[in-house]
Amino acid sequence: DTGVSQDPRHKITKRGQNVTFRCDPISEHNRLYWYRQTLGQGPEFLTYFQNEAQLEKSRLLSDRFSAERPKGSFSTLEIQRTEQGDSAMYLCASSLDGIIEQFFGPGTRLTVL
Amino acid sequence: QNIDQPTEMTATEGAIVQINCTYQTSGFNGLFWYQQHAGEAPTFLSYNVLDGLEEKGRFSSFLSRSKGYSYLLLKELQMKDSASYLCAVRDIDDYKLSFGAGTTVTVRA
Repeated sequence: DTGVSQDPRHKITKRGQNVTFRCDPISEHNRLYWYRQTLGQGPEFLTYFQNEAQLEKSRLLSDRFSAERPKGSFSTLEIQRTEQGDSAMYLCASSLDGIIEQFFGPGTRLTVL
Repeated sequence: QNIDQPTEMTATEGAIVQINCTYQTSGFNGLFWYQQHAGEAPTFLSYNVLDGLEEKGRFSSFLSRSKGYSYLLLKELQMKDSASYLCAVRDIDDYKLSFGAGTTVTVRA
């Protein structure tokens, strides 16, 4: 039994570079979420997929952010032209219709220098 | 969404600690408590959607929807309970969670 996995676990990049993160949800989970967490704060909702459809995108996500879930399985989150303010832990979670719990992955820690 | 919880709490091993959470949200479809150890993913502890107390082993959670209030009760504290405890409200659309900033609990020997 595998949980939610995320890759990479850590990413250090220079300001202005593009980065892409991957999330593999629990098998057969049709719902997938992305959250961002900064030090000392709780996770903040970024976006939500039901199967391959992106149903909501937070105001926190500028046009530099894009997320996809092309086949309704894994998802990618891309940040273009990174800024220092993008430094955070990016968490992915998944769930199944009718199941209340969201299962979180270990996160990708992004540091923008 | 406005979700408030204390920043830090300290307690002794074997003791009881109560973490309060107050919320003001435009919609409500359940309140969650998650535990998060430093550098790790949040893990689910409890869920309340109706008023009252839910007990699960050493952890209990209480909800009063009319007061916008919940608490998480940790009994027989162990060193491994040192972690951040996150209160989260699910909105009426049934998917998005809004989290508080978390309460860091430190258990001392």
